[in-house]
Amino acid sequence: DAGVIQSPRHEVTEMGQEVTLRCKPISGHDYLFWYRQTMMRGLELLIYFNNNVPIDDSGMPEDRFSAKMPNASFSTLKIQPSEPRDSAVYFCASSHGGLSDTQYFGPGTRLTVL
Amino acid sequence: RKEVEQDPGPFNVPEGATVAFNCTYSNSASQSFFWYRQDCRKEPKLLMSVYSSGNEDGRFTAQLNRASQYISLLIRDSKLSDSATYLCVVNKERGSTLGRLYFGRGTQLTVWP
Repeated sequence: DAGVIQSPRHEVTEMGQEVTLRCKPISGHDYLFWYRQTMMRGLELLIYFNNNVPIDDSGMPEDRFSAKMPNASFSTLKIQPSEPRDSAVYFCASSHGGLSDTQYFGPGTRLTVL
Repeated sequence: RKEVEQDPGPFNVPEGATVAFNCTYSNSASQSFFWYRQDCRKEPKLLMSVYSSGNEDGRFTAQLNRASQYISLLIRDSKLSDSATYLCVVNKERGSTLGRLYFGRGTQLTVWP
């Protein structure tokens, strides 16, 4: 079975550019999560969706970040404009039973903003 | 105070050793607890959930102490393949929302031959 799919796996961009990260959750999972991991702050939950509806976006650092889930099989996390401090690994995860259930993580997107 | 705190380690132990990690959480209303494992440059994966009565999965034992607000993970008979970072995860319930997950920074374990 296919797990959570993320693209791209690596992204290098220059400050000020728009970055779009993509995620395809596991089929049948109705929760989707976006995380960011850095050495300094560890793993942080940015936002999560239930049935394509954003439930909690309080972890989104600022207005430069936005996330959408137009359908059950696709989500995007966009950063516009990007800054060097956004450099991190961004993980997408999905689950069937919300926060009390196992979360399956994608392989992550390693973002470097120069 | 951070929501979830862990000793970052690193813990360096020989094969066959028993090692224990602790994690403390700040919100007494927290409802769900987990240990995730993360290999170097890989994604986190669920190791085990933590139940109030404590639970065991092979060489791994997880315990929860609600009164003291800490969670522990015990690994017996360590294997080289246990080398990884172990993340403590807590679901903080909040009002009528579905709660919010908080991850500890992780405890790094290296098992040497």
